[in-house]
Amino acid sequence: GAGVSQSPSNKVTEKGKDVELRCDPISGHTALYWYRQSLGQGLEFLIYFQGNSAPDKSGLPSDRFSAERTGGSVSTLTIQRTQQEDSAVYLCASSFNPPGLAVMPYEQYFGPGTRLTVT
Amino acid sequence: GQNIDQPTEMTATEGAIVQINCTYQTSGFNGLFWYQQHAGEAPTFLSYNVLDGLEEKGRFSSFLSRSKGYSYLLLKELQMKDSASYLCAVRLRPGANNLFFGTGTRLTVIP
Repeated sequence: GAGVSQSPSNKVTEKGKDVELRCDPISGHTALYWYRQSLGQGLEFLIYFQGNSAPDKSGLPSDRFSAERTGGSVSTLTIQRTQQEDSAVYLCASSFNPPGLAVMPYEQYFGPGTRLTVT
Repeated sequence: GQNIDQPTEMTATEGAIVQINCTYQTSGFNGLFWYQQHAGEAPTFLSYNVLDGLEEKGRFSSFLSRSKGYSYLLLKELQMKDSASYLCAVRLRPGANNLFFGTGTRLTVIP
């Protein structure tokens, strides 16, 4: 597609339930990122996939959060046993990061996000 | 820890010039980004500075001083459509492209 797509656009779930959020990055982009944006807060980095390398999970807030990227393309962010503080907009982004040019901007293209509400 | 400071809100008049400041204290630095985010929409890339100085792109310019941990985004000839949040973000190290974002500055352009 022309841009990063995410589904669903909105998700309302009950506390304690598991949720899966999906991201389809721009075709050919080697890197994929998950961020979340809580009301009045900046974007918070969650996890980063680059090619076939092990993902950078340093931003995941707890072990209830996990993510996969299958076949170097589509990614799924899973939140288990959701809590009310998980309510936020979850944003996915992708970029093309060729190796060896670390000073380049490698502009990240963001998807429209999934608004998660935990009741 | 990492810290990025931006004003929470600013208001400016259509046709005017506005400067949005960003100061950062981070454990590393490999570039500073500005993103624009309209309400309910995804952030979109505006500019990138990795060396000191001014980068100009049409009505938008971005400045960086690494020694001062300071950047600003300058918007000229403001238009109503420029009403949005402007996000300052730092890339902490080469090869780690995840960005550390500030909370953003909500700009309102008034007639």
